[in-house]
Amino acid sequence: GENVEQHPSTLSVQEGDSAVIKCTYSDSASNYFPWYKQELGKGPQLIIDIRSNVGEKKDQRIAVTLNKTAKHFSLHITETQPEDSAVYFCAASQGGYQKVTFGIGTKLQVIP
Amino acid sequence: GAVVSQHPSRVICKSGTSVKIECRSLDFQATTMFWYRQFPKQSLMLMATSNEGSKATYEQGVEKDKFLINHASLTLSTLTVTSAHPEDSSFYICSARQGLGNTEAFFGQGTRLTVV
Repeated sequence: GENVEQHPSTLSVQEGDSAVIKCTYSDSASNYFPWYKQELGKGPQLIIDIRSNVGEKKDQRIAVTLNKTAKHFSLHITETQPEDSAVYFCAASQGGYQKVTFGIGTKLQVIP
Repeated sequence: GAVVSQHPSRVICKSGTSVKIECRSLDFQATTMFWYRQFPKQSLMLMATSNEGSKATYEQGVEKDKFLINHASLTLSTLTVTSAHPEDSSFYICSARQGLGNTEAFFGQGTRLTVV
């Protein structure tokens, strides 16, 4: 089955700096890679995703890159703000009925 | 984005009783729904995958008779924790996927279950 590794597990950055979270996956059949933000006591929220036919995708301050050959994908948050503080999960899936496999999560703290 | 509503958000029950958690897709038809369990400061652990009108597929180690899943319609799935015990206390989260292709899975807000 799919195995998703995520690092770092915790990340502290100063407000305004960039944050990068990296993930690797094991199953070359995975073709959909979402990123979720989870605030305390709430369900995960989809913030951005990328499909295997795309190498990079950007949405305002958030960008995701995918290297299919190396089976790496990363989340980049620029100009971080205190409200970006949360736990971020990467995930991999084959879509359809296939399950979504999550990384272990990264607790991001943005220091004002 | 699509909305998935999970109810209740919090529930406290006595040991030995059963608890039902509902997951509804409000503005789309969910071909597939997933149920997860999350322990504090840990990742989401998939419990089962359910497709409308068919039996749920449970992950290894998850007791089918304890965690009953019913996906009765394209907008509703339920998870019933039967004969709950304190060790079942956890955060349960559902997610719904709209189509068969590479489509997003949207999450409910989670249910905090406390068994006393």
